[in-house]
Amino acid sequence: DAGITQSPRHKVTETGTPVTLRCHQTENHRYMYWYRQDPGHGLRLIHYSYGVKDTDKGEVSDGYSVSRSKTEDFLLTLESATSSQTSVYFCAISESPTAGNTIYFGEGSWLTVV
Amino acid sequence: DAKTTQPPSMDCAEGRAANLPCNHSTISGNEYVYWYRQIHSQGPQYIIHGLKNNETNEMASLIITEDRKSSTLILPHATLRDTAVYYCIVRVDNAGNMLTFGGGTRLMVKP
Repeated sequence: DAGITQSPRHKVTETGTPVTLRCHQTENHRYMYWYRQDPGHGLRLIHYSYGVKDTDKGEVSDGYSVSRSKTEDFLLTLESATSSQTSVYFCAISESPTAGNTIYFGEGSWLTVV
Repeated sequence: DAKTTQPPSMDCAEGRAANLPCNHSTISGNEYVYWYRQIHSQGPQYIIHGLKNNETNEMASLIITEDRKSSTLILPHATLRDTAVYYCIVRVDNAGNMLTFGGGTRLMVKP
């Protein structure tokens, strides 16, 4: 299994509070991704990073920000959590964006916003 | 990216081969076929991928038809732990690559 660690694995927070999820990798892969998974929607890309300090938006980026100050860490921040952001969040990594390079996923972070 | 079609569910007897089909009739020449699976409450697990040729690894075999419009994932000796949702995905070679997971096939391996 790819060396991907997500933290926290489970969190309950109140509406309006900030939340940060952390993804840590030991593979030295250049690309890192944050997805969310919801019933009926499958996996949807939130943001991705193609290097230190280089990030871009995915298809569902509203309400989320990301930062990557080191190759191994990719942070996802919900500035002011809303109930619609209750979801399971997956971090993923790959060596490059070319389709021949596999994307590997972490074990997920379950977030509940009450 | 090309759309994929998979049956929503399949059963397989433990110890038998599980053959999971995927239709990707609009696939283009530079799109890879990937298979992932997701066991309940876990992250998607990479299984195998291919472009044109059949592929085999320690987990499974991938058979891609000559016209590349369909493929089959084969788990040679299914175990109860192979019960999961299996996703067939096609990926085009471009920057900022995204993965689009459809509904997948829910495989139930039965004793």
